[in-house]
Amino acid sequence: NAGVTQTPKFRILKIGQSMTLQCTQDMNHNYMYWYRQDPGMGLKLIYYSVGAGITDKGEVPNGYNVSRSTTEDFPLRLELAAPSQTSVYFCASRYLETEEANYGYTFGSGTRLTVV
Amino acid sequence: AQTVTQSQPEMSVQEAETVTLSCTYDTSESDYYLFWYKQPPSRQMILVIRQEAYKQQNATENRFSVNFQKAAKSFSLKISDSQLGDAAMYFCAYRGETSGSRLTFGEGTQLTVNP
Repeated sequence: NAGVTQTPKFRILKIGQSMTLQCTQDMNHNYMYWYRQDPGMGLKLIYYSVGAGITDKGEVPNGYNVSRSTTEDFPLRLELAAPSQTSVYFCASRYLETEEANYGYTFGSGTRLTVV
Repeated sequence: AQTVTQSQPEMSVQEAETVTLSCTYDTSESDYYLFWYKQPPSRQMILVIRQEAYKQQNATENRFSVNFQKAAKSFSLKISDSQLGDAAMYFCAYRGETSGSRLTFGEGTQLTVNP
């Protein structure tokens, strides 16, 4: 099915461990985003990418890294996990300039991460 | 930087009644888009309705409509004939034309629909 695929759906990390959250889209979307959602809160932007090879920081980038080597993939790397990174992580994508883009974004189903 | 504020952390409505969720935003841009997203317990983000800032006419999608007041920077969502399936967290979001066209979200309003 076309859309944004995130893996894993759930993960428990110990403090200091590292992991990569995977995000893949098969819609040839230019723009991709990583958001985090803390309990009972709105989504905050971590990083975004406007195309392969181009990434930029959002509101809350500390403790994370991203890469965009292909149009399809936009992995999020957590180094030295901390309890403050316990959250639900959403990946999203959209076209550059089409009517569809004006209808918003395609979101993945989220990854629930717990750091203990 | 743009900010989005939802001043109602929780709202409740009786089934079949009408409820209005409030949203205000702050921006210096003239061209932008506003969205309402619904997030049920499944965590899925579902687009409810969108509004282009250059359009004066308020957007409508079936039972959902908005009251867009550009000068006041207000963007409220009205849900008519509320249904049990409308129960969810609702997020107001802003998209400008810079910084990768990112979405900036409000803190959300948890809507309960009582039978």
